[in-house]
Amino acid sequence: EDKVVQSPLSLVVHEGDTVTLNCSYEVTNFRSLLWYKQEKKAPTFLFMLTSSGIEKKSGRLSSILDKKELFSILNITATQTGDSAVYLCARYGGSNYKLTFGKGTLLTVNP
Amino acid sequence: DSGVTQTPKHLITATGQRVTLRCSPRSGDLSVYWYQQSLDQGLQFLIQYYNGEERAKGNILERFSAQQFPDLHSELNLSSLELGDSALYFCASSGGSLDEQFFGPGTRLTVL
Repeated sequence: EDKVVQSPLSLVVHEGDTVTLNCSYEVTNFRSLLWYKQEKKAPTFLFMLTSSGIEKKSGRLSSILDKKELFSILNITATQTGDSAVYLCARYGGSNYKLTFGKGTLLTVNP
Repeated sequence: DSGVTQTPKHLITATGQRVTLRCSPRSGDLSVYWYQQSLDQGLQFLIQYYNGEERAKGNILERFSAQQFPDLHSELNLSSLELGDSALYFCASSGGSLDEQFFGPGTRLTVL
């Protein structure tokens, strides 16, 4: 089954905190795992992960994939109010090239 | 700005009607994807086209159909509309199936 589960569903932190968002997936013909940030508009791409153990980094955001344990994490350090958004994880795979999204984690960063 | 354009931005129509949503991918991208996002279902993949051919099908209803034209723009046709079809419809494009997808701004469909 193509299930992608994200946790927590919602998170409220103060500016400056570090957060870790989790994404677990089921494995059928895994190709890649993607992270997106969605504010009030369309999702914007953050990372694509295909290999286990290799951290991808962009500024204060980083992500890593564990293909053995079937999960990925997204870390955000020194959070800012502008990081408030829904963070979506999606698994790309299956013989029919399907992208399956999790329900997202709603991150709220308070000043 | 992702480079993907969608029209119209908003659409309000009545149950039983038919609408067409249009998407122009980023220049050079061959793949177009359609997604539906509603409050209760989250983001759901509907269908993918690659260079004019259907490549993958997700949770697309039989009342919905799509196509990709020779100039690579795509249209999503929704017919016999129901209240539950009210949602944000996104189009995304990519260079290939394993490439990152760039999302358009979406079309908000309201069925009354």
